[in-house]
Amino acid sequence: EADIYQTPRYLVIGTGKKITLECSQTMGHDKMYWYQQDPGMELHLIHYSYGVNSTEKGDLSSESTVSRIRTEHFPLTLESARPSHTSQYLCASSARSSYNSPLHFGNGTRLTVT
Amino acid sequence: DQQVKQNSPSLSVQEGRISILNCDYTNSMFDYFLWYKKYPAEGPTFLISISSIKDKNEDGRFTVFLNKSAKHLSLHIVPSQPGDSAVYFCAAGDSGGGADGLTFGKGTHLIIQP
Repeated sequence: EADIYQTPRYLVIGTGKKITLECSQTMGHDKMYWYQQDPGMELHLIHYSYGVNSTEKGDLSSESTVSRIRTEHFPLTLESARPSHTSQYLCASSARSSYNSPLHFGNGTRLTVT
Repeated sequence: DQQVKQNSPSLSVQEGRISILNCDYTNSMFDYFLWYKKYPAEGPTFLISISSIKDKNEDGRFTVFLNKSAKHLSLHIVPSQPGDSAVYFCAAGDSGGGADGLTFGKGTHLIIQP
């Protein structure tokens, strides 16, 4: 069953538009993450949060921003979409350190910027 | 520079036989390792993990082996079933690291042939 939800599943949008990718989880997890994945490539961590009002950038530089106002909600925003932002975006959460609590992933948002 | 490498983009195995998926890593700080399974249009789901204090972990048909000196791990699936056809990601983490995220490989597409 899906305890972590991402919307939209697919999005095609023109260059320059502002977009927000939604991610919500019902498990009460403190830690949440955004990964970016291109086809046939590894997942790259772009943002993470340890709890409300905590956000950090990940290993891969990204022009997106995130916010964590509520525990269950971790949206990602692109102020001005560009074709280079075309990718799949995966949201994940975990109860504690991923050392002893595996990541739970949403089904992803596949973004295409034309 | 890739820190987690899955050198086989795809692997084809006959139903009922053993599937062996391989993963190499370069970062000596990694001390826990996970395998995720991903079906098309879905997010990755956790399969099995192992910490660096062990060299084997088993869960039903799935066994992960870790060779720390060779910086190599492998996932064995016995017997392979049609539902095992998916992309398998190897991931590694450093429990003392700051980001608390995982480093993923590019994945191996496993195809189980009837």
